[in-house]
This record gives sequence, C-alpha cells and structure tokens, in this order.
Amino acid sequence: DIQMTQSPSILSASVGDRVTITCRASQSVSDWLAWYQQKPGKAPQLLMYRVSSLQSGVPSRFSGSGFGTEFTLTISSLQPDDFATYYCQQYNNYSTFGQGTKVEIK
Amino acid sequence: QVQLVQSGAEVKKPGSSVKVSCKASGKTFSNYGINWVRQAPGQGLEWMGGLIPAFGRPNYAQKFQGRVTISEDVATSTAYMELSSLTSEDTAVYYCARSFKVADYFDSWGQGTLVTVSS
Repeated sequence: DIQMTQSPSILSASVGDRVTITCRASQSVSDWLAWYQQKPGKAPQLLMYRVSSLQSGVPSRFSGSGFGTEFTLTISSLQPDDFATYYCQQYNNYSTFGQGTKVEIK
Repeated sequence: QVQLVQSGAEVKKPGSSVKVSCKASGKTFSNYGINWVRQAPGQGLEWMGGLIPAFGRPNYAQKFQGRVTISEDVATSTAYMELSSLTSEDTAVYYCARSFKVADYFDSWGQGTLVTVSS
C-alpha cells in the first residue's frame, strides 16, 4: 500500500497568512493527487485534483504543486472560511489518504 | 450536479453486519464510480473500496477484503456497502463518494452514515 504523510498535523495561522501544507508519498504517485477540505460534522469537499486542477467553485487562493512523491497545497491568503482540516489523497494505486492537517486560528 | 443520499444511522452488536445504502440522483448512475470511505471518530479518511455500476465488479482495499461487499441496484440508482464481523473498531462515519472510475478522486460525497458498534 502507498502511505501518504502530511505535515504539519496542526497549523496555527491568522487571517491573511500564506499557508502551505506538505504531503509525501511512500512511492511515486505521478500526478494522481487530490486535496480535500473537511469541516467538523461535514463530508469532505474536493478542492483540487491531478495535483493542481482546481475543482469548480473553489477560490483561486488555493493552489497545488508537486509530482511523484512530494506535493504542496498553498492558500495564498487565509480567509475565515478556510479554518478546517485538509487531506491529500493518492489515486495512482487504489486510494490512500494522508492523516490530515488541521488549520486552526492562531 | 449529482446528489448522494445515504441511509440513516445504525447501532450494531459486535459480530453482526451492517448494510448502508447510497442513492444517487442527477447524472447517469451507472457510468460513474461509487466508492466507500470511512472515518473513525477523530480520525482520518480510509478508502474501503468501490465499483462502477456499468461494469459491476468491485475493487476492495486489502484491509477489508473478505469482510466488505459493495454492490449496486442500477434500476434504483442505489449503491450498497455491507460490512460483516463488526467490532468496536468499525465504529465510524461511512461515506459514499462518486468518482469517474474506481479509486479516482471523489467529486461528490454523501452526507455520511454513523455506524456505532456496541454491546
């Protein structure tokens, strides 16, 4: 199984901050990598697929990059609605999620 | 836009089975993948398996092989996930999620079904 490791596990930030979350795969997943946002008590929502393709309706302050085993999700200017938990997912070989990164208010 | 509506919460005894349903509306059900993802309390997301109704043959995560059955009823646009030999570690919210193929990215999610396993 491909293991996905996110860092940090918790990120404290303020509105307006630039935020970066890293996701590392135990082996190459090429560009088959997605990101999700989840708020408490809600289902995850797709932010990005194929590393950097923004899902319809997702604000352009979200961006993704990477290839192979290392990926990043960046929020250019953190907004109040962005405080949530973020998950990466590889879908190169079945599907595996990272353990999540909680973005909390500093 | 597809909408996925799941069945309600369940409380089960250890050793029993649970069957959760996921009804799709909107775009054609049979040409998309339906996957099942679970989330234990306070934990992350775990893919269990999925299928494309048009092809019928499901794929399962190795961890759940032999214990999970994913099926569909194309006539009613409903997918099912049955998990057997339940233990307290199966207590979780179970989500169905749509993809373009099995184990793809998931662009629509059901609302989740809480399954509690308790004696």
